[in-house]
Amino acid sequence: EAGVTQFPSHSVIEKGQTVTLRCDPISGHDNLYWYRRVMGKEIKFLLHFVKESKQDESGMPNNRFLAERTGGTYSTLKVQPAELEDSGVYFCASSQWDRGKETQYFGPGTRLLVL
Amino acid sequence: TQLLEQSPQFLSIQEGENLTVYCNSSSVFSSLQWYRQEPGEGPVLLVTVVTGGEVKKLKRLTFQFGDARKDSSLHITAAQPGDTGLYLCAGEKGSTLGRLYFGRGTQLTVWP
Repeated sequence: EAGVTQFPSHSVIEKGQTVTLRCDPISGHDNLYWYRRVMGKEIKFLLHFVKESKQDESGMPNNRFLAERTGGTYSTLKVQPAELEDSGVYFCASSQWDRGKETQYFGPGTRLLVL
Repeated sequence: TQLLEQSPQFLSIQEGENLTVYCNSSSVFSSLQWYRQEPGEGPVLLVTVVTGGEVKKLKRLTFQFGDARKDSSLHITAAQPGDTGLYLCAGEKGSTLGRLYFGRGTQLTVWP
């Protein structure tokens, strides 16, 4: 079974440009999470989808970030316009609740560098 | 404000030595998880502890959840070069189910 995949693996853009990150969760997983690790800091939660609905988006830094999960399958995270402080590694994770428990499976991440 | 303080940040030891990594907080967690991350990959779950005082063993790795569910430790016995990697603790709070709060990680290097 394929794991969580993320595209692109790396992205280098200039300040002010737009970048869209994509995450394909494990098939059948209702939960999809976005996290971000900025250099020198811990991995931080951005938001949580349950199917196509945003369950918790309290971790989104500001309104330059827009996440979507149309149809409850893959998700995109768009940053527009990108700023220098948006640089970091963006991780996606998916899970499915099973008898009250869940295990989050992480993708390899997208390394974003804003110049 | 960082919710989980993980220490040490870096650990460099010889093969065969024992080590302990700590994860501390002033907050109570409903569960605490330990992950291992390799370069270029995402974190991979090692274990989840949910009950205060719980101890779980995974071969040479022993995980403990504090009685008050505010802290946890990871102990590795007789470390091997294959144990080299980034170890992360992450907690889940009952009020925000699913959302994980991570520590900064411990980069472990085991030399042959």
